[in-house]
Amino acid sequence: QKEVEQNSGPLSVPEGAIASLNCTYSDRGSQSFFWYRQYSGKSPELIMSIYSNGDKEDGRFTAQLNKASQYVSLLIRDSQPSDSATYLCAVNSIQGAQKLVFGQGTRLTINP
Amino acid sequence: DAGVIQSPRHEVTEMGQEVTLRCKPISGHDYLFWYRQTMMRGLELLIYFNNNVPIDDSGMPEDRFSAKMPNASFSTLKIQPSEPRDSAVYFCASSLGQDRGGKQYFGPGTRLTVT
Repeated sequence: QKEVEQNSGPLSVPEGAIASLNCTYSDRGSQSFFWYRQYSGKSPELIMSIYSNGDKEDGRFTAQLNKASQYVSLLIRDSQPSDSATYLCAVNSIQGAQKLVFGQGTRLTINP
Repeated sequence: DAGVIQSPRHEVTEMGQEVTLRCKPISGHDYLFWYRQTMMRGLELLIYFNNNVPIDDSGMPEDRFSAKMPNASFSTLKIQPSEPRDSAVYFCASSLGQDRGGKQYFGPGTRLTVT
């Protein structure tokens, strides 16, 4: 089992709809969870961080964390074509707390 | 504030040559990370430093790879000799550490092609 798993997609969502991205992780002791956005040919850009159970909202983005079920999700409301990118889930490793383990990423396409 | 700076942005070299990648972390960040990204393996951590000291190099693929951080504002990743399978995008990232949120910020990357 991979430490951090994401559906690789591609996930296709119509413009204006809600895009839902999911991630599961294996280390129960993980404390920090991040979502990065990566445009083709660019570097990962941090868009959300979450540390406790529940929802965290930032503009059109909402991160959701459920430690009991070991999943973290990202919702993008009112999706725009500019949201088309690969979204990487990252979780800190309990083997080395400073290390982040990244999922393979979900490719999201927003269709106008 | 300037973000993480990497150079060169692109590097094309022949097999067997030495390659040196450079990174300047965000000022004040005391953690520096080197990653490699390929389509097949995704984003992999190679090594990370805390206060210029290498903490975990378990991701370094083999002895051909070495990394140094002589001071708080500069790090290098060296590959000698390079091989075609080293072709990838190499990212440097920096952070303040998990006790201060653990957010890692990435540089623009160096796209390495070894022919």
